[in-house]
Amino acid sequence: GDSVTQMEGPVTLSEEAFLTINCTYTATGYPSLFWYVQYPGEGLQLLLKATKADDKGSNKGFEATYRKETTSFHLEKGSVQVSDSAVYFCALTGGSEKLVFGKGTKLTVNP
Amino acid sequence: GAGVSQSPRYKVTKRGQDVALRCDPISGHVSLYWYRQALGQGPEFLTYFNYEAQQDKSGLPNDRFSAERPEGSISTLTIQRTEQRDSAMYRCASSLGAGGPLGETQYFGPGTRLLVL
Repeated sequence: GDSVTQMEGPVTLSEEAFLTINCTYTATGYPSLFWYVQYPGEGLQLLLKATKADDKGSNKGFEATYRKETTSFHLEKGSVQVSDSAVYFCALTGGSEKLVFGKGTKLTVNP
Repeated sequence: GAGVSQSPRYKVTKRGQDVALRCDPISGHVSLYWYRQALGQGPEFLTYFNYEAQQDKSGLPNDRFSAERPEGSISTLTIQRTEQRDSAMYRCASSLGAGGPLGETQYFGPGTRLLVL
């Protein structure tokens, strides 16, 4: 079945550092890909998404490109802030409506 | 409403009791989803509805779990004869349309944290 594998955390960075969180997927057909974020004490929020190959999703300085050839959707940000500290989830929807999530990566950004 | 709401936010119950978790989706949203999230894991799909029709219940772990959405709006997830392994965060999400290959965005509520003693 469909699955998502993302790099295990936790990830600790200093403010203004470059961030990459790796995500790869297994799916039949052409899934849509998502990054959700969970800030401390809050619910899941959509960060960005891409619905077809080579699409780039972007929001709040974060970017991810749908790479069909490598079945990847890595999350990047050029300069992280303390306020980016959160848990990040990669997810997909394949042939059905349900979201399939990775295990999540906890990011801590220190001042 | 402004967003997806869930109640209660926290529920502590004794093993063997039944619990009912409520989800109120964004007004006008057709699709409603239930997920369960164990500590340190990503959410896992349980079931979903389009309007009042349950479209997929393949993620419900056993027959103690059931869900309904009788009027196509509010939904209730019921767990009968709770067990300690049912302890988790239960998340509800809704989306505007019936979804499809383009990946309709799902909007999540704050979750209900269930603890079974």
